[in-house]
Amino acid sequence: NAGVMQNPRHLVRRRGQEARLRCSPMKGHSHVYWYRQLPEEGLKFMVYLQKENIIDESGMPKERFSAEFPKEGPSILRIQQVVRGDSAAYFCASSPAQDNYGYTFGSGTRLTVV
Amino acid sequence: GENVGLHLPTLSVQEGDNSIINCAYSNSASDYFIWYKQESGKGPQFIIDIRSNMDKRQGQRVTVLLNKTVKHLSLQIAATQPGDSAVYFCAENANSGGSNYKLTFGKGTLLTVNP
Repeated sequence: NAGVMQNPRHLVRRRGQEARLRCSPMKGHSHVYWYRQLPEEGLKFMVYLQKENIIDESGMPKERFSAEFPKEGPSILRIQQVVRGDSAAYFCASSPAQDNYGYTFGSGTRLTVV
Repeated sequence: GENVGLHLPTLSVQEGDNSIINCAYSNSASDYFIWYKQESGKGPQFIIDIRSNMDKRQGQRVTVLLNKTVKHLSLQIAATQPGDSAVYFCAENANSGGSNYKLTFGKGTLLTVNP
């Protein structure tokens, strides 16, 4: 069981470019959660998805950010026209059911905007 | 609003000593708490959890204490080892409006174990 896989581990983008972060949940997990961690901060909830559905995106910025979890393939967190303030670590977690009792986090993608 | 925070941002201990990391929360509706360990460059790793109907739970070398009266949570690590050096986060689930999937994290405490 490979665990939650995130790629890339590190991503550098220039201001105005797009960033795509991928997350493959653990085998058997159909619930995916994205969190963002600013330097020296705790993680903050962004979005919760199930296959082909966004359940809760209350933590997502209103503009430039989107997420999807297609029927086939990994979950994608997409950030358009990145700005320096988007620099952070983005973590994905997965669970087998809609609760946080079985949360497993990936190792994260560290996005740096230059 | 809800707030989860930590009293001490850094803690330095000698190897073999016991460590205590504290966390305060303000949402009395929170019914589930988790402690995570995060090593440099890695994702949060589950350590131990506790539900609000308990005041103490023990694991291997770790104990979590919950005081609902003063909304305080602590993590005790016995016989701290260099491998315990990491940032420790408390997280809570307020489970409000059916959102039993959303965790609110504190800022974290950096634990450094000196050999």
